[in-house]
Amino acid sequence: GAGVSQSPSNKVTEKGKDVELRCDPISGHTALYWYRQSLGQGLEFLIYFQGNSAPDKSGLPSDRFSAERTGGSVSTLTIQRTQQEDSAVYLCASAQDGMRVEKLFFGSGTQLSVL
Amino acid sequence: DAKTTQPPSMDCAEGRAANLPCNHSTISGNEYVYWYRQIHSQGPQYIIHGLKNNETNEMASLIITEDRKSSTLILPHATLRDTAVYYCIVRVAQAGTALIFGKGTTLSVSS
Repeated sequence: GAGVSQSPSNKVTEKGKDVELRCDPISGHTALYWYRQSLGQGLEFLIYFQGNSAPDKSGLPSDRFSAERTGGSVSTLTIQRTQQEDSAVYLCASAQDGMRVEKLFFGSGTQLSVL
Repeated sequence: DAKTTQPPSMDCAEGRAANLPCNHSTISGNEYVYWYRQIHSQGPQYIIHGLKNNETNEMASLIITEDRKSSTLILPHATLRDTAVYYCIVRVAQAGTALIFGKGTTLSVSS
């Protein structure tokens, strides 16, 4: 596609449920990032993929959070047993590998609300 | 990666130039200066980057001091649509790790 696509755009769930958030990066982009942004806060890095592997997952806040990427393309961020503090906008970004300077292209995010 | 310091907020009148400063006094020789902005309810958007020389593109100009310890992002004719949070980030090219965003500067453009 022309840009980074994220789905769903909005997700409301009950505390304790699992959720899956999807990211479709720009075609050909091998680098993929997940961030989250709580209301009124800055961007918090979660995990970085290079191809299908995740060399940096240092930002995942707990073992309830996991992510995978298949085929070097689509990525899924899974949050198990959601808590109210997980409510935030989850943003995905992709970048073209092999470039000397890396420009990130962001999606519009998924607004997650945990009731 | 070097740390950056930006003012938390700035105001600008529509049609005037907006000059957003960034201090990065511990920048190393192989670190680039990147600028992104985030308009309310949207994902961040890349604006411009530079290493040593001043840069200009269709969105903005980037002025980097000779000692590279600070830089200024210039929006030559600010519009209401430029109201956003502007992030200055320094890091090596192809670091293989994430771009870390600080708190940025909230620019408010008013008519």
